[in-house]
This record gives sequence, C-alpha cells and structure tokens, in this order.
Amino acid sequence: GESVGLHLPTLSVQEGDNSIINCAYSNSASDYFIWYKQESGKGPQFIIDIRSNMDKRQGQRVTVLLNKTVKHLSLQIAATQPGDSAVYFCAENILSSGNTGKLIFGQGTTLQVKP
Amino acid sequence: EADIYQTPRYLVIGTGKKITLECSQTMGHDKMYWYQQDPGMELHLIHYSYGVNSTEKGDLSSESTVSRIRTEHFPLTLESARPSHTSQYLCASSEGRGGIQYFGAGTRLSVL
Repeated sequence: GESVGLHLPTLSVQEGDNSIINCAYSNSASDYFIWYKQESGKGPQFIIDIRSNMDKRQGQRVTVLLNKTVKHLSLQIAATQPGDSAVYFCAENILSSGNTGKLIFGQGTTLQVKP
Repeated sequence: EADIYQTPRYLVIGTGKKITLECSQTMGHDKMYWYQQDPGMELHLIHYSYGVNSTEKGDLSSESTVSRIRTEHFPLTLESARPSHTSQYLCASSEGRGGIQYFGAGTRLSVL
C-alpha cells in the first residue's frame, strides 16, 4: 500500500552536531519527495525536495539523499542549531500519474537539539 | 514565504455548534487542501480542490464539508461539532502539476 514512514519518532542531538532523519516509503511508483519542518504552533514549512531521477540534493545546511533501491530517503542537517528543533515530515507524490497534487505524509520525527 | 492565511487560530466551542474555518491564499494557486492533524502526528488529507467549483474528499473520512467558489478561498464547515472533531486543521495550496504545498498556520479546534 501507499505509506511513508519515519524510522524514529524522536531524535536528540547536541548543538553543532550533524543530524540525520530517515524516512522509508513503500510505493515504488513515487517519483517526488519533500521534507517539511513543523515548529510548535505552526504549519509545515517546505525545506527541500528531490525527484526520483536524482539521488542527492543540497540546500543551505541541508542535504536530502534518495535510495530508490531500498525505498529510503534521509534528511541531513549540518551543524544543528536550537532553531532546528521541530517535527520533520517526509512526503511523497507521483507526479507522473497525471497528478492530483496529493502528498502522502509520514509520521514525523521530533528533533530535539541540546545546548 | 507562503501567503496563505487561516482564521481563527484557536477555537473553543460547545457540542452541536456550527463552525466554519476560513482559509485564503493570495498566490493564485489552483489546488487547495485541508488536512487534519493531531499534535505531533502525521497529516491526514480530508478535502482537496483542483479549482473553482471542484471539491473532492480526501483519504480520511470527515464529517466536514468544503466549498470553492473563488480561487483564493477554501472554507471548511462543520454543521454540528462534536468532541471527536477536536484537532488541528491545516490548509494548504499548490500550483500546477503538483509538488510543493504551502501551509497556513492552522486552526486548533477544541469541542467541549
């Protein structure tokens, strides 16, 4: 079935360390993936996206890796800061399907940054 | 920065009341969505719209209804609120073939 899930509900890291948040998806037809950050009391905010014809994409302090063989993607945050504390969601879509624009969201990982 | 607005931010009401959650976007996006989310949990799609006069039910069954009379406006209505409707409701919009959805800040609803 279609589902997107994250491996760990909570990740605790020291300020300044790198963070890696993981996500597994089950639909091999998914060809587009997005990472969102949701701070307390706010709506999800777009971080970075990646299409299935890529295996890596970098942004400012963030990198998304996609492994289609094992249907896994990860979000790496370099030099984690207190402001990175939030819940992180991965989401998938099938853009080639004629598209409804619908995203399927995973369960979320809470990132806690220790000072 | 996304220009999508939800009102009210917080709402506490009694059982049986009719409520409307407002969502407006100024980006001219054709697609709009409503999600239901319990704290810290995943988002569940309850309604979406491809454009004016187009509405569809999402993956999670909901007793709410929506309308899309104008491109920028996508209100959600509960005719008779119940405690089981207590949750956060998030509105989003996107453009074209899909991809990035931009979210409002959400409405946190409590039904007593």
